[in-house]
Amino acid sequence: GQNIDQPTEMTATEGAIVQINCTYQTSGFNGLFWYQQHAGEAPTFLSYNVLDGLEEKGRFSSFLSRSKGYSYLLLKELQMKDSASYLCAVRVDPGDYKLSFGAGTTVTVRA
Amino acid sequence: EAGVTQFPSHSVIEKGQTVTLRCDPISGHDNLYWYRRVMGKEIKFLLHFVKESKQDESGMPNNRFLAERTGGTYSTLKVQPAELEDSGVYFCASSPGTSGLTYEQYFGPGTRLTVT
Repeated sequence: GQNIDQPTEMTATEGAIVQINCTYQTSGFNGLFWYQQHAGEAPTFLSYNVLDGLEEKGRFSSFLSRSKGYSYLLLKELQMKDSASYLCAVRVDPGDYKLSFGAGTTVTVRA
Repeated sequence: EAGVTQFPSHSVIEKGQTVTLRCDPISGHDNLYWYRRVMGKEIKFLLHFVKESKQDESGMPNNRFLAERTGGTYSTLKVQPAELEDSGVYFCASSPGTSGLTYEQYFGPGTRLTVT
């Protein structure tokens, strides 16, 4: 099976920065996705990395190192609305669209 | 543009009963996926439709689960008979195109199924 690990919970203060790590050991690799999910809502797409390096989108950045099987999602200038679960997912096969997910990291932003 | 919708949002049934979950993908999306999250575990893939055809059903747990996508539009996932371990949140997702650079999957809010 596929193994995708991320911390269960993280807490940070409003305005701060939080880095959510994701490590993966999969039979193949064709891209890594980060999704945000607020309680009771649909997971929403945040970022996609398939090549090594950093992708920046406003307050959110995502990094990938394929050789290390490692990614992180960086959330800057945290806002209360960023309190949510963050899901790391890997697409393992190039001809196959299904995603393999980590268990998710619950981020709590405190005032 | 309407997102992926799922019905019902919650369902509570007794062991041995039948439940049918419905997913309406984003209009024009050929790819439709079902995933499931069991309490405390990660979201796991169940199956993938391309239009009305099952492209990959490797994640379906057993033959009590039947998915259909007649006409290549909405999809249903039937569980018959339901068992306690079927409890969880069932997500549907869709993405456009049948090939090429179509990476992002758009998820619905899920159906929370409780089997008692």
